[in-house]
Amino acid sequence: KNQVEQSPQSLIILEGKNCTLQCNYTVSPFSNLRWYKQDTGRGPVSLTIMTFSENTKSNGRYTATLDADTKQSSLHITASQLSDSASYICVVSGGANNLFFGTGTRLTVIP
Amino acid sequence: DAGVIQSPRHEVTEMGQEVTLRCKPISGHNSLFWYRQTMMRGLELLIYFNNNVPIDDSGMPEDRFSAKMPNASFSTLKIQPSEPRDSAVYFCASNALNLKGATAVKQFFGPGTRLTVL
Repeated sequence: KNQVEQSPQSLIILEGKNCTLQCNYTVSPFSNLRWYKQDTGRGPVSLTIMTFSENTKSNGRYTATLDADTKQSSLHITASQLSDSASYICVVSGGANNLFFGTGTRLTVIP
Repeated sequence: DAGVIQSPRHEVTEMGQEVTLRCKPISGHNSLFWYRQTMMRGLELLIYFNNNVPIDDSGMPEDRFSAKMPNASFSTLKIQPSEPRDSAVYFCASNALNLKGATAVKQFFGPGTRLTVL
């Protein structure tokens, strides 16, 4: 069964600290993996997209990693800011826009 | 660029009424997607179009849901009749279709329509 599981469900960290969000998937075949940031009341915004051959991709303070062998991905946020408070959604594509969504991790950054 | 435009932003209606959600994709994008998001189920893909043609509507929950894309700059998602369990945020997204067939294309989401069916 094609599934995408994210952990933790929610996370609270202090401003300035680093954190890592996890995404495990069982989607096959695999085409690409995306991380989205969704602010409350807004649509998701793409952070990174990784294909099978890519094992890391950065977007500013966001760094995503992908291990296609173990079917795991992580999103690392460096030097967190209050504006990083959002839900982070992992989406795995099985090709041809066949998309499987995680339920997200709710991150709260506190001063 | 105005991004993906959705209207209305909020819709409150009574059970049994027809609801029409609207979307204008980013100019030049030829793939358009409709999603539904709830607390219980997260994001779900309902249907997507390439070059105005529906490609996969397997995510459409029931016959009460229908979507059209009469031209490259406009799409609608209609629910008729609406039910309380349809209450959710409905997102439209678009991306440029990669002619080489690559699927790793950045997708842009609209602000969503929050639908409440009483």
